[in-house]
Amino acid sequence: AQTVTQSQPEMSVQEAETVTLSCTYDTSESNYYLFWYKQPPSRQMILVIRQEAYKQQNATENRFSVNFQKAAKSFSLKISDSQLGDTAMYFCAFYYNTDKLIFGTGTRLQVFP
Amino acid sequence: DTAVSQTPKYLVTQMGNDKSIKCEQNLGHDTMYWYKQDSKKFLKIMFSYNNKELIINETVPNRFSPKSPDKAHLNLHINSLELGDSAVYFCASSQPGGGLNTEAFFGQGTRLTVV
Repeated sequence: AQTVTQSQPEMSVQEAETVTLSCTYDTSESNYYLFWYKQPPSRQMILVIRQEAYKQQNATENRFSVNFQKAAKSFSLKISDSQLGDTAMYFCAFYYNTDKLIFGTGTRLQVFP
Repeated sequence: DTAVSQTPKYLVTQMGNDKSIKCEQNLGHDTMYWYKQDSKKFLKIMFSYNNKELIINETVPNRFSPKSPDKAHLNLHINSLELGDSAVYFCASSQPGGGLNTEAFFGQGTRLTVV
């Protein structure tokens, strides 16, 4: 069975600084997707970034980038130039075939001015 | 237009009541899900439907019954509500094999409070 682990329950960062959120997962599959979702206080789930497992190149979306290490089953999210609006819960998620999107336990990120 | 919409947004009800949460997606996706988010923010999948067929039922009490009248709708009916059912319930949809477009779209969530 697939599992997703986020070992940092809470993180904080100063505005304009860089922060990295960790995620590891366990699977025997070779082709799958990994995601980072953001949940601000409004509770809406917002996709931040997506990575396809068969692509070696790390995904980037503006200030957000990932470090995808397939062999190590690691998928960390780097947020550069942090902004106050980045304050939210961040969830790492694993998706395979049609089964289900499995979430980690989340990391609460606080950005301080 | 909202891609995945759930109603109601908030639901407060007494123990023992029966309630329903509705979900509709206009994305043409084949797969829809229900997730429960507890007070610690943990998101746990409850059900997954693919083209109106139940694919996953994750050890959910049988007081919870999903209904999919068509692939655009997945409603959640809960019988005999208990205090422990208080949570935020999210509906989501995705398109399997969507390649670059693969992602799950979420509704805005329904905060259920059982008193």
